[in-house]
Amino acid sequence: DTGVSQDPRHKITKRGQNVTFRCDPISEHNRLYWYRQTLGQGPEFLTYFQNEAQLEKSRLLSDRFSAERPKGSFSTLEIQRTEQGDSAMYLCASNNFFSPDNEQFFGPGTRLTVL
Amino acid sequence: SQQGEEDPQALSIQEGENATMNCSYKTSINNLQWYRQNSGRGLVHLILIRSNEREKHSGRLRVTLDTSKKSSSLLITASRAADTASYFCATVDANSGYALNFGKGTSLLVTP
Repeated sequence: DTGVSQDPRHKITKRGQNVTFRCDPISEHNRLYWYRQTLGQGPEFLTYFQNEAQLEKSRLLSDRFSAERPKGSFSTLEIQRTEQGDSAMYLCASNNFFSPDNEQFFGPGTRLTVL
Repeated sequence: SQQGEEDPQALSIQEGENATMNCSYKTSINNLQWYRQNSGRGLVHLILIRSNEREKHSGRLRVTLDTSKKSSSLLITASRAADTASYFCATVDANSGYALNFGKGTSLLVTP
């Protein structure tokens, strides 16, 4: 069990550029979640997948945000035309559909800075 | 939207002292979870208490839940410098069953 991994750990980009983050969940986990955390706040839920199906995306912050999990394993989160307000930590978490209490296992996060 | 709200926002104590932080939430829940986040890192699950439980212990952690008041408390006994971190409560909305709703967290500083 290598835990949830995220890549890159840090990303600095200029306003208007597109960025893509990757998350590799724990191998046997079929649910995957994305959260955003801004400074001084708790994580804010964005979207989640069960296998390759994106079952909730209404909480994505705008249509500039999109996420995929094409083969039900790793997931990507893309932000198009980045804005300075997108600067935040983007966290990925995973668990198993059969987890009765919905305890989630978090990755180390990708810190995005938009200049 | 933020579901839970922790109190206090910041807490500074010395090693060996106990730290108590509180959390309030708004909607009905199946369980309430506490997570720890070291500076700039991911979250680590600490302890979970179900809605039909009133108190739970795990090592130096003690969690209570009062569903009538929609509140929970986390007690860390005999604190250590390594306990320095931010602590968040999180609830799973009973209707959706998937998203975790976090509060703003309590920032704990334990000085030697």
